[in-house]
Amino acid sequence: DQQVKQNSPSLSVQEGRISILNCDYTNSMFDYFLWYKKYPAEGPTFLISISSIKDKNEDGRFTVFLNKSAKHLSLHIVPSQPGDSAVYFCAASDYGNKLVFGAGTILRVKS
Amino acid sequence: DSGVTQTPKHLITATGQRVTLRCSPRSGDLSVYWYQQSLDQGLQFLIQYYNGEERAKGNILERFSAQQFPDLHSELNLSSLELGDSALYFCASGLDGETQYFGPGTRLLVL
Repeated sequence: DQQVKQNSPSLSVQEGRISILNCDYTNSMFDYFLWYKKYPAEGPTFLISISSIKDKNEDGRFTVFLNKSAKHLSLHIVPSQPGDSAVYFCAASDYGNKLVFGAGTILRVKS
Repeated sequence: DSGVTQTPKHLITATGQRVTLRCSPRSGDLSVYWYQQSLDQGLQFLIQYYNGEERAKGNILERFSAQQFPDLHSELNLSSLELGDSALYFCASGLDGETQYFGPGTRLLVL
């Protein structure tokens, strides 16, 4: 069963505009959520995280929003840059023992 | 650079063989996690060690085993290899049990 879902396999955005990547989860026991960026043949790079007690966390151009009632989180990238083109993974943690990953969304930022 | 190192970067072997993948965590991190990324399964949690002790287990095959040594480096042993074991194997480490930092991965090809 897919506990973490990223329903959009890909997203294309113009440089300078906002990129919004979405993620849904089913397990209400998840207490920590993370976004990772990944290039082919490299390890995932940590971007930003949010605890289940918060609804927003911001770090530079990256903001993560958490809607617990909807079991939904999103990553906003503003402004988008060509270097942001990569695969973005949403992940959820249950008490720090493991991460459950979504399938990923390919982001293409066009210049 | 996440500070997590993995060796070797690439490994080519034959079915039935045994290989060992090595991971050195970030300085100060007590937890080491192993993940497998295959084309059809995405990133899947295998096993976690915390300060030398096994803490959590995911969908790890009985042919696979891991250990964490006193200096906190970890090894993942894969035996009786099958074609389907070909994948990217990632190690991650963390301090607080939440944010995990990933190494560059080992690409295993079983022929």
